[in-house]
Amino acid sequence: KQEVTQIPAALSVPEGENLVLNCSFTDSAIYNLQWFRQDPGKGLTSLLLIQSSQREQTSGRLNASLDKSSGRSTLYIAASQPGDSATYLCAVIEDKLIFGTGTRLQVFP
Amino acid sequence: DTGVSQDPRHKITKRGQNVTFRCDPISEHNRLYWYRQTLGQGPEFLTYFQNEAQLEKSRLLSDRFSAERPKGSFSTLEIQRTEQGDSAMYLCASSLDAGVREKLFFGSGTQLSVL
Repeated sequence: KQEVTQIPAALSVPEGENLVLNCSFTDSAIYNLQWFRQDPGKGLTSLLLIQSSQREQTSGRLNASLDKSSGRSTLYIAASQPGDSATYLCAVIEDKLIFGTGTRLQVFP
Repeated sequence: DTGVSQDPRHKITKRGQNVTFRCDPISEHNRLYWYRQTLGQGPEFLTYFQNEAQLEKSRLLSDRFSAERPKGSFSTLEIQRTEQGDSAMYLCASSLDAGVREKLFFGSGTQLSVL
């Protein structure tokens, strides 16, 4: 059974720092991996989708990497801003998405 | 393209009542998923449809839960005889293709509170 773990569970940093959020999964037989952002009480916003044949994807200040063999993905956020404060979820894609429990990020001015 | 739409946004009900939620996926999206999320947890898979066919149901989906997607367009999720443990955010998502190489797009969710 696939299990997805995210570390750290919570993170509080000053504005401007570069951040790394970690996601690990137990079964490497995945199709793709997707990172989401969730604001309190809201739905999920897709950030990046990494297909299994890819090693990384970039969008603006966000960069996500995927290492299937080691069962790991990282989300790198450059020059963090208070508006980045949210919960970040990773999900591995088999025939459906299996989510981790998320990293709750707070960026303070 | 107006995104995935869910209705209602919030639902408060008394234990034992039946509730029904609606999800309108992005037009022409073939796959439609239902997830449930409790506070501090990631979303948990409930069920998904490929067009009108319900292809998989989680063990979380007890007999009190039923989902439909008539005509392969909108979907409804009904919970009968609600219990306090059903209180959660119910999320709907859709994707374009039969495969899983497409992004999933989520709605804003329906927050259910069972008193």
